[in-house]
Amino acid sequence: AQSVTQPDIHITVSEGASLELRCNYSYGATPYLFWYVQSPGQGLQLLLKYFSGDTLVQGIKGFEAEFKRSQSSFNLRKPSVHWSDAAEYFCAVGASNSGNTPLVFGKGTRLSVIA
Amino acid sequence: DTEVTQTPKHLVMGMTNKKSLKCEQHMGHRAMYWYKQKAKKPPELMFVYSYEKLSINESVPSRFSPECPNSSLLNLHLHALQPEDSALYLCASSQAWTSGSYEQYFGPGTRLTVT
Repeated sequence: AQSVTQPDIHITVSEGASLELRCNYSYGATPYLFWYVQSPGQGLQLLLKYFSGDTLVQGIKGFEAEFKRSQSSFNLRKPSVHWSDAAEYFCAVGASNSGNTPLVFGKGTRLSVIA
Repeated sequence: DTEVTQTPKHLVMGMTNKKSLKCEQHMGHRAMYWYKQKAKKPPELMFVYSYEKLSINESVPSRFSPECPNSSLLNLHLHALQPEDSALYLCASSQAWTSGSYEQYFGPGTRLTVT
């Protein structure tokens, strides 16, 4: 079964600074990887996904993520953070070779943005 | 359109009440999901419907009863809930329920408070 770890519970960055949120997964084959964002009291919004192909994927709101098989990582990046990016971010992994397997979510990283 | 709608947005109910949560999507998705999310935690999968048939029940207590009347609608019937059932209930849908490869689109959630 797959698993995912988000090592950082809470990150604070200054507005305009760059951002990197870490995600490490465990899975025997090439996984399906997702990043979601959740604002307080809201549902989850899909930022980007990786299924195969180019290991650098672009998402919405200026986010990108890079799949690194050698490091079992799928870190989320943004070159310049805006105050509106303050939210909870979840990395999720899906199994690529097992039918009917639920998505597994990481515990989340809360992003705070300061002026 | 990638919208999943949920009603009501907020619900307060007593432990003897019966209420229902509703979810709707018009993306032609054939898989629909119910998740429960407690504060500062990732979503926990409750139920999965695939082609209007219940595919997964993650050992959810019988006081939660899901229903999928058609491919666009998903209900969650609530009866005799406990205060610890207070949470954000999220509905999601995806193109299909196979191997976790299809990204899930989430609704805004119903904030449930059990008194």
